[in-house]
Amino acid sequence: QQQVKQSPQSLIVQKGGIPIINCAYENTAFDYFPWYQQFPGKGPALLIAIRPDVSEKKEGRFTISFNKSAKQFSLHIMDSQPGDSATYFCAASVETSGSRLTFGEGTQLTVNP
Amino acid sequence: DAGITQSPRHKVTETGTPVTLRCHQTENHRYMYWYRQDPGHGLRLIHYSYGVKDTDKGEVSDGYSVSRSKTEDFLLTLESATSSQTSVYFCAIRGGQLNTEAFFGQGTRLTVV
Repeated sequence: QQQVKQSPQSLIVQKGGIPIINCAYENTAFDYFPWYQQFPGKGPALLIAIRPDVSEKKEGRFTISFNKSAKQFSLHIMDSQPGDSATYFCAASVETSGSRLTFGEGTQLTVNP
Repeated sequence: DAGITQSPRHKVTETGTPVTLRCHQTENHRYMYWYRQDPGHGLRLIHYSYGVKDTDKGEVSDGYSVSRSKTEDFLLTLESATSSQTSVYFCAIRGGQLNTEAFFGQGTRLTVV
C-alpha cells in the first residue's frame, strides 16, 4: 500500500521553467514532509522539508507548498537549470515514531539547456 | 555524506546464498535505517535501529534480518538471496540540527543471479 503518491513520473522543462512535482498522502499522523534529490549513482540528499504548521517554505530556488486539508504537498523549482536534472522524491514520516520515512515513487526531472 | 560508509558498493551473488551488507557511521548517531530502492517504488524501509541491539521491522522486511552490536555498525543480511532482492540498498542515519533529518549513504547495488 503506497501511502505517498507522487506525480508525474517524469518531467521535461526548458531552462528557466518552473517544474512542479506533486505528492498526496493518506496517513494524517504524518508530521514531517521532506523532499530528496538524487543524482545517478548517489544516495538521496535532503533538499528541503516542511511541517504541517506552515503552508509554504522557500529555500533558495526551491519552494514547498503544503495543503493540510487536501493532504497534498508540492515542490516548485524556480528558474530551473540543467544541473537540477535529477530524480526527486517526496517523503513523509511521523517524527515521534522514529522518523521512518515513507517515500513517493519518484519523479525524473530533465531540464534542457 | 554524514560519515556513512556502505560496503560493498557492488555485489553479484547467486540465488540461495546468504549476503551481508554493512553500514558504518562515524558520528555516533542513534538511529540507523536500511532502505531498498526499486524503479516505480521509490525507497522502502526494510529494517531500522534505535540503538545497540534495538531493531525493528519496516514495510518490506521479509527475507531480511539485521544486527547492531555496536553503535557504528548496522548489518543487513539476506538469509537466502532471491532474484526479487536484486535492488539498490541504502543505509541512512538520523541527524541534522534538530536530529530529524535522514542522511543517506552511497548505496550498494546487489544483483542476485
